Amino acid sequence: AQSVTQPDIHITVSEGASLELRCNYSYGATPYLFWYVQSPGQGLQLLLKYFSGDTLVQGIKGFEAEFKRSQSSFNLRKPSVHWSDAAEYFCAVVITGGGNKLTFGTGTQLKVEL
Amino acid sequence: KAGVTQTPRYLIKTRGQQVTLSCSPISGHRSVSWYQQTPGQGLQFLFEYFSETQRNKGNFPGRFSGRQFSNSRSEMNVSTLELGDSALYLCASSLAASLLNEQFFGPGTRLTVL
Repeated sequence: AQSVTQPDIHITVSEGASLELRCNYSYGATPYLFWYVQSPGQGLQLLLKYFSGDTLVQGIKGFEAEFKRSQSSFNLRKPSVHWSDAAEYFCAVVITGGGNKLTFGTGTQLKVEL
Repeated sequence: KAGVTQTPRYLIKTRGQQVTLSCSPISGHRSVSWYQQTPGQGLQFLFEYFSETQRNKGNFPGRFSGRQFSNSRSEMNVSTLELGDSALYLCASSLAASLLNEQFFGPGTRLTVL
């Protein structure tokens, strides 16, 4: 079955340090990939998405993600983390065919140390 | 432009009761999707509506139902509540009828079943 895996449940980084959140997917064809962020008490917000083309995509808030077909990965990166980036991050994939379904990973909780 | 609104924000029910949650999409958005978020199962897709028609459905029992009105507002109903239905229910709206379009999420309704 198609799935999305986020191996890291919790990650702690210092403010100003770089960040990489991992996401792996299991799907036969090229998936439609997304990263969402959920801040405390807030709804989910789309950071970026990948459908096709350039495998390095830029998003909002200084985030970027790289699609690597050979590794079935879509990792989220940020060169310098700000305290306001503390939140939960979700990788998601839309599986097309037979009715589109948006499938989320289990999320990675990011803590930023000042 | 106002964001997605969900009412009520918090709800406490007892087992066996039924509940109706409401979602008002962003003005002009015609697609509404519903998600259930729990610590154990994470974010799961419930269903998507467009132009008053259910277009996609997740793997939830028939106790979970929804509808969309002509003004694009949507309601979700859960009958015969079970303890496991305690969750944050998120609604998202988008312009067009595809989960590939950016979805804008509301803050959610926190349902507690006692």
